[in-house]
Amino acid sequence: DVKVTQSSRYLVKRTGEKVFLECVQDMDHENMFWYRQDPGLGLRLIYFSYDVKMKEKGDIPEGYSVSREKKERFSLILESASTNQTSMYLCASSRGTGGLGEQYFGPGTRLTVT
Amino acid sequence: AQSVTQPDIHITVSEGASLELRCNYSYGATPYLFWYVQSPGQGLQLLLKYFSGDTLVQGIKGFEAEFKRSQSSFNLRKPSVHWSDAAEYFCAVGGGGLEFYFGTGTSLTVIP
Repeated sequence: DVKVTQSSRYLVKRTGEKVFLECVQDMDHENMFWYRQDPGLGLRLIYFSYDVKMKEKGDIPEGYSVSREKKERFSLILESASTNQTSMYLCASSRGTGGLGEQYFGPGTRLTVT
Repeated sequence: AQSVTQPDIHITVSEGASLELRCNYSYGATPYLFWYVQSPGQGLQLLLKYFSGDTLVQGIKGFEAEFKRSQSSFNLRKPSVHWSDAAEYFCAVGGGGLEFYFGTGTSLTVIP
């Protein structure tokens, strides 16, 4: 069974802290994605990666960075967390180089920044 | 610019009634279209997808969707809703690149 796992389901951090969200997939997928989900806004793409050490900005990359040192792992980093980064974060992965690959999602991490 | 519109923020239906969730897209080329469902506290699960061919596609859990190019629509339907269908539903469009563009979602409530 395909699986995308995220390191935490719930996370509470303080303003200014550095935050790491980890995502691991076991499907040998080339592509991985980080989204944030907010009520009324749907899913917005933060960053994605199509290969190890490769990354591309999505629609809302400001305040975030990513790291992909291994094919199966894609990390989202909040360098200095702010309250407006309180959100649900979803990781996804897909196969292939074209747009045909459906995305498989993890369960999400609900991050609260106080 | 690519975009997806789900005009209904929230829909309430009675159990056993039929369901149609609307999705309109804007995309410059041939779109690849998807419907995902998100149960409370969960990630997104793919219901169905359209790439080419027959414009009526069948998915899991008894759902189907019809691609209408002339209307730029990809509406999701189910003939008889079950209480377990209560969830958030997202339409998405993709194409030649890797990115998907998601709608803002439709929340479905099912009344017993």
